[in-house]
Amino acid sequence: GAVVSQHPSRVICKSGTSVKIECRSLDFQATTMFWYRQFPKQSLMLMATSNEGSKATYEQGVEKDKFLINHASLTLSTLTVTSAHPEDSSFYICSASWTSYGYTFGSGTRLTVV
Amino acid sequence: GQQLNQSPQSMFIQEGEDVSMNCTSSSIFNTWLWYKQDPGEGPVLLIALYKAGELTSNGRLTAQFGITRKDSFLNISASIPSDVGIYFCAGRFQGGSEKLVFGKGTKLTVNP
Repeated sequence: GAVVSQHPSRVICKSGTSVKIECRSLDFQATTMFWYRQFPKQSLMLMATSNEGSKATYEQGVEKDKFLINHASLTLSTLTVTSAHPEDSSFYICSASWTSYGYTFGSGTRLTVV
Repeated sequence: GQQLNQSPQSMFIQEGEDVSMNCTSSSIFNTWLWYKQDPGEGPVLLIALYKAGELTSNGRLTAQFGITRKDSFLNISASIPSDVGIYFCAGRFQGGSEKLVFGKGTKLTVNP
């Protein structure tokens, strides 16, 4: 149980375009979802926390207009990288909280902006 | 953002050896989690700890929630080649929000 599906696993886009990444909890309702960014050989850095039906809470230094998060239902959260630039290339990972103490991660999305 | 102090950063061991890694924090945690991440994948939960002093095993893996609530260790016994990967500790602050804080990871290499 507690499976999180993240899609797509890899995406290449042109500079200036937008990319949407989906995160779905398949067999549970996620009260909270989290979006992380991971640079090569580094740890996970939290970008934002989202709760269903409310605005996401962004970490300091994360541009909310650049990284749009929508948590429309208890099973789906999306991250849209708007007007992507090469420096946005990274590994993005979502996580869903299924109890007060349970966290399951998606398999990640490798974004390459060319 | 704040991170945990995780050590060692990397380990090179022979197959069959035991491994130990740990995380410390200056703040009190109410949850400690240990994850393994393979290249190009998301972290996979290995062990979750919720009480100070708790000692939990998952096969060849054993982890403990420190009595002070500021540290945790993960042991891997009789390592095998598929143990290769990056191990992360993660914690949730006592009285804090739901978000997790991550260590910088321990990269494990197992030589056959």
